[in-house]
Amino acid sequence: DGGITQSPKYLFRKEGQNVTLSCEQNLNHDAMYWYRQDPGQGLRLIYYSQIVNDFQKGDIAEGYSVSREKKESFPLTVTSAQKNPTAFYLCASSWAGKGNTEAFFGQGTRLTVV
Amino acid sequence: RKEVEQDPGPFNVPEGATVAFNCTYSNSASQSFFWYRQDCRKEPKLLMSVYSSGNEDGRFTAQLNRASQYISLLIRDSKLSDSATYLCVVKVNTGGFKTIFGAGTRLFVKA
Repeated sequence: DGGITQSPKYLFRKEGQNVTLSCEQNLNHDAMYWYRQDPGQGLRLIYYSQIVNDFQKGDIAEGYSVSREKKESFPLTVTSAQKNPTAFYLCASSWAGKGNTEAFFGQGTRLTVV
Repeated sequence: RKEVEQDPGPFNVPEGATVAFNCTYSNSASQSFFWYRQDCRKEPKLLMSVYSSGNEDGRFTAQLNRASQYISLLIRDSKLSDSATYLCVVKVNTGGFKTIFGAGTRLFVKA
């Protein structure tokens, strides 16, 4: 089945450590997105990519980094510079070349700093 | 100004009530529109697309007003199970299509 997969589902990190969240899709989507969601809050865009080897900062990119070396994969690194990284992280993908198609989300990764 | 804006709510309504959400978008190159639903601690999922002439799916009706750049979602005869966050989504033609999510409106339906 086609879909978008995030791993791990739960992640614990010590303060000061970098951690990488995985996002893989087999939907042949061009565009991929990373969002952060805090409890009771809405989605906030971290980074997005419309094409391989290119990505743009979203509204809250500070303390995060991404890469897009393959169409299928858009990993997010939460660096030690991110002061409050505990949150629910959601990855999404969509077709950048088709305007009337929906976006799909992965099941999310809950990151907790301990 | 955010590209897609929604009232965060929460909207607290009794069962059986009719409730409406609005969403405004700022980019006139916006081409496609959707409503998503997000349950607590889950990922958002597509509820319905929004067509230019408006469309209905059971108790849910979506409308688009391109002139005023807003979309709406009407829920009739609210059920307890409708309690969720509803996100407005816009695809903008920026050369390629960029998907922009609103922050969502929280709905609580109470017995």
